[in-house]
Amino acid sequence: DAGITQSPRHKVTETGTPVTLRCHQTENHRYMYWYRQDPGHGLRLIHYSYGVKDTDKGEVSDGYSVSRSKTEDFLLTLESATSSQTSVYFCAISEGLAEQFFGPGTRLTVL
Amino acid sequence: AQSVTQLGSHVSVSEGALVLLRCNYSSSVPPYLFWYVQYPNQGLQLLLKYTSAATLVKGINGFEAEFKKSETSFHLTKPSAHMSDAAEYFCAVSGIGANSKLTFGKGITLSVRP
Repeated sequence: DAGITQSPRHKVTETGTPVTLRCHQTENHRYMYWYRQDPGHGLRLIHYSYGVKDTDKGEVSDGYSVSRSKTEDFLLTLESATSSQTSVYFCAISEGLAEQFFGPGTRLTVL
Repeated sequence: AQSVTQLGSHVSVSEGALVLLRCNYSSSVPPYLFWYVQYPNQGLQLLLKYTSAATLVKGINGFEAEFKKSETSFHLTKPSAHMSDAAEYFCAVSGIGANSKLTFGKGITLSVRP
């Protein structure tokens, strides 16, 4: 398995609080991605990174921000969590022209 | 623009029966196509991929898929279902450029009856 870890794996928080999810890779892949998975929607891209400090928006980026200060770490921040952001969040990595490898996911519940 | 259509949300087959999961895509450029599998409470695992080489692609666990450009399809098949195949299956499409992104279908849940 590709070396991808996500932390925390589970989190329960309250509406209006900030939340940061971490993705860490040991593969030295250039590209990193954050997705959310919701029933009936499949996986939807939130943000992605194509290098250190190089990031761009995906299709559902509103309410989320990201940062990548090192090759191995990609952080997803919910500045003020809302109940609509209750979801399972997946990080993925790739070398750009090949398939993406996925982390184990973080289940986030916003009460 | 690109998109993936996976008709239906649930397929049920008997153990030993043929598995057929349908995927149709739309892409303005030559596509790369992928099938991923997700077991309960796990991340996605790549089953197989089409990257413009052979149109019949073989993957892990006995699965295969055929790229049909004329039908814009990439259906997933397995001759004989096992109980362990019960999972959710996602079809995805991307372009072939370095910054191309994956677009996923909504997924199909496969159940296998004993």
